[in-house]
Amino acid sequence: GAVVSQHPSRVICKSGTSVKIECRSLDFQATTMFWYRQFPKQSLMLMATSNEGSKATYEQGVEKDKFLINHASLTLSTLTVTSAHPEDSSFYICSSHRRADTQYFGPGTRLTVL
Amino acid sequence: AQTVTQSQPEMSVQEAETVTLSCTYDTSESNYYLFWYKQPPSRQMILVIRQEAYKQQNATENRFSVNFQKAAKSFSLKISDSQLGDTAMYFCAFSLMNRDDKIIFGKGTRLHILP
Repeated sequence: GAVVSQHPSRVICKSGTSVKIECRSLDFQATTMFWYRQFPKQSLMLMATSNEGSKATYEQGVEKDKFLINHASLTLSTLTVTSAHPEDSSFYICSSHRRADTQYFGPGTRLTVL
Repeated sequence: AQTVTQSQPEMSVQEAETVTLSCTYDTSESNYYLFWYKQPPSRQMILVIRQEAYKQQNATENRFSVNFQKAAKSFSLKISDSQLGDTAMYFCAFSLMNRDDKIIFGKGTRLHILP
């Protein structure tokens, strides 16, 4: 069964609204989780590293005030896209690592901003 | 900084044929992991195979095998007896050996298996 879940799988929202995406590690505790963004026919781009109990580490060029990450427990990380605009439309994927050589990816969330 | 390069954006092969996907990487580290991930149309990332850099023996998983050349920083994936279900995007990826280290992905190779 799934080791990492994401909710929702698909969301459509109006421009200017905020959207929250949840990522849950179902099978093990994860002090670190990762958020990726994927445009059509492109690779996964790491957005940020979510750290339980502390601030997320954002990759260069990713707006931390735009993409709010909260890792409040060892099994849950959330990504909130604030004041979403059409250019934020994308596929968002989270991952969690049981070990350095074993990563599990969520099924992804397709965000469409109208 | 580590980089991963996949030079074949797209490939097509006939069913049952063998295909090799290329990947090169760059790092100054000596211990790391290399991976090949498959992303089918469902977009769920699936681990195909992994290789520990300290192991000389090439990893093999059923019809999937790698040719790991550490000195050349090359990590190719060979798919034998290709099947229609192998049609997907394939990503080569790199990670250091700490559990909290991020994965660095190549741009991917779109593989089409033709009936």
